[in-house]
Amino acid sequence: QVLLVQSGGEVRKPGASVKVSCKTSGFAFNIFGITWVRQAPGQGLEWLGWISTYNGNTKYAQKLQGRVTMTTDTSTNTAYMELRNLRSDDTAVYYCARGRGNYADYELGYWGQGSLVTVSS
Amino acid sequence: DIQMTQSPSTLSASVGDRVTITCRASQSVNDWLAWYQQKPGKAPKLLIYQASNLESGVPSRFSGSGSGTEFTLTINRLQTDDFATYYCQQYNSFSTFGGGTKVEIK
Repeated sequence: QVLLVQSGGEVRKPGASVKVSCKTSGFAFNIFGITWVRQAPGQGLEWLGWISTYNGNTKYAQKLQGRVTMTTDTSTNTAYMELRNLRSDDTAVYYCARGRGNYADYELGYWGQGSLVTVSS
Repeated sequence: DIQMTQSPSTLSASVGDRVTITCRASQSVNDWLAWYQQKPGKAPKLLIYQASNLESGVPSRFSGSGSGTEFTLTINRLQTDDFATYYCQQYNSFSTFGGGTKVEIK
């Protein structure tokens, strides 16, 4: 079955970087793009960006441009999201997600379990 | 960026009620709109895609409608399992989520 398993929680100081991983299985990795979404404590969902696992093309939310990089490793079927120059308001649960099917990359039918990133001095 | 506004932010209802949640886009998103259900501590679950298509395995009491800038999610005969927070998402231009609607027990 389709699985997205994320790395564990992380604690970082302001100004540091964090890299969250999303290891996938159960499907052909290079067919479906991976989307990243975050949720601050008690808040709503925020779309962060998308990466094509086929050619590495990316789309990032404007507010994160310059601080976020999404990558993939096709040898391990893993997607990564790196966020730099962390601030306290980056504290959130970060999710990776996959589209529900072919040509449906943005209809997020499969989700990872979430990774809590805490930014605190 | 396209802004998505959901209303109400909180809705109190009873088992068996029919509830309607509205999502408005700041510009047309055609029918590129999805709805999700989220329970505390869990990842969101896709309910509806392309405005009105029911995701496989989702009960038929959920339905979606609308196009352009105004959309609705309707839950007929609300069940105990439906008390949760619901989000809309546009994916016409990049992607944006609405602020969420919490459906709570009256």
